[in-house]
Amino acid sequence: DQQVKQNSPSLSVQEGRISILNCDYTNSMFDYFLWYKKYPAEGPTFLISISSIKDKNEDGRFTVFLNKSAKHLSLHIVPSQPGDSAVYFCAASWNGGSNYKLTFGKGTLLTVNP
Amino acid sequence: DGGITQSPKYLFRKEGQNVTLSCEQNLNHDAMYWYRQDPGQGLRLIYYSQIVNDFQKGDIAEGYSVSREKKESFPLTVTSAQKNPTAFYLCASSMVERPGVGYTFGSGTRLTVV
Repeated sequence: DQQVKQNSPSLSVQEGRISILNCDYTNSMFDYFLWYKKYPAEGPTFLISISSIKDKNEDGRFTVFLNKSAKHLSLHIVPSQPGDSAVYFCAASWNGGSNYKLTFGKGTLLTVNP
Repeated sequence: DGGITQSPKYLFRKEGQNVTLSCEQNLNHDAMYWYRQDPGQGLRLIYYSQIVNDFQKGDIAEGYSVSREKKESFPLTVTSAQKNPTAFYLCASSMVERPGVGYTFGSGTRLTVV
């Protein structure tokens, strides 16, 4: 049972344009959502997060939107740069009791073409 | 600088042998995690530990074992019972009480069974 889904395995975008990466979730108990960026043969690095009490969070070129009713979030990168080419993982957590554990999607490979 | 260190970066193992992957952190994080990454599978949780001398199985714990004798260290042993151990292994740590900050990942260990 995949609770966090990234339905697009890959996305290709021209430099300077907008990249939109999508993520859907099924567990309504999730209260934090995060995006990670991963280069080959490296560990993922934290990019941006959003609490379930918000619908938007922005950090420079990166904006995450959360639509709780649709159980959907998206990451917008504007403008896209070749260095943004990486795998992006969506992750979610809920602080059930004293536990805290992230559930990851399978990732989307973003390629930004010069 | 604080961080999380995985060693070795590359590891080769003969079939039937146990092998231990090292993970050390100096971030004073309470929780530590082990993930496995396979192509098209995203990140799958093997084991996690929220406190010293305590750990829980993740989604794919069979064939693996861990220990948490010190807060800083969370080694993973891949046993001969693991049927398909060739993969990229990632260790992570986090502050349990700060879910929105997410995990800090190590740079990973590539294990190959020969």
